[in-house]
Amino acid sequence: GAVVSQHPSRVICKSGTSVKIECRSLDFQATTMFWYRQFPKQSLMLMATSNEGSKATYEQGVEKDKFLINHASLTLSTLTVTSAHPEDSSFYICSASFSGTGGYGYTFGSGTRLTVV
Amino acid sequence: AQRVTQPEKLLSVFKGAPVELKCNYSYSGSPELFWYVQYSRQRLQLLLRHISRESIKGFTADLNKGETSFHLKKPFAQEEDSAMYYCALRISSGSARQLTFGSGTQLTVLP
Repeated sequence: GAVVSQHPSRVICKSGTSVKIECRSLDFQATTMFWYRQFPKQSLMLMATSNEGSKATYEQGVEKDKFLINHASLTLSTLTVTSAHPEDSSFYICSASFSGTGGYGYTFGSGTRLTVV
Repeated sequence: AQRVTQPEKLLSVFKGAPVELKCNYSYSGSPELFWYVQYSRQRLQLLLRHISRESIKGFTADLNKGETSFHLKKPFAQEEDSAMYYCALRISSGSARQLTFGSGTQLTVLP
């Protein structure tokens, strides 16, 4: 249980275009979702936390207007990279928190490799 | 602010040898610590967490508040243990309760 599906797994886009990444909870309701960015051989850096039905909370240094997060339902959160530039190329990972009879936890998507050319 | 430190980026051991992946944290409150593992071409998954006091795949980790450490140990490493390991801290305050990750340790178990 508690599976998160992230799409697409890879995307290549031209500089200046926008890219949307979807994160869906398949078998549970994800009230809270997290978006991370991971540079090669580095750790996951939290970008923002999104709560269903409210505005996302962005970490310091993350541009809100560039990385638009929408969490309109309990099963879907999206990250849109607007006016993408080569420096936005990275690995983006979503995560959702869940709670159940076994306690609470976090489940992760498989990630999206974004390449901006 | 909270911080998680994994001093070793790379760690290699031979099959059957003991392995210890170090993790230190800094947080003034009461922390919750986790170890996550990422096998090649797979998503990040939970290995264990300190509150459960469990042993998963032969791995154990003890929270040492005096030393602010949560080192991951296994007495006899196996080749299938080769993976990237992340230590993570969850703070108990605030509504979001997000995880803070260490920089990770790439473990390679040699045959």
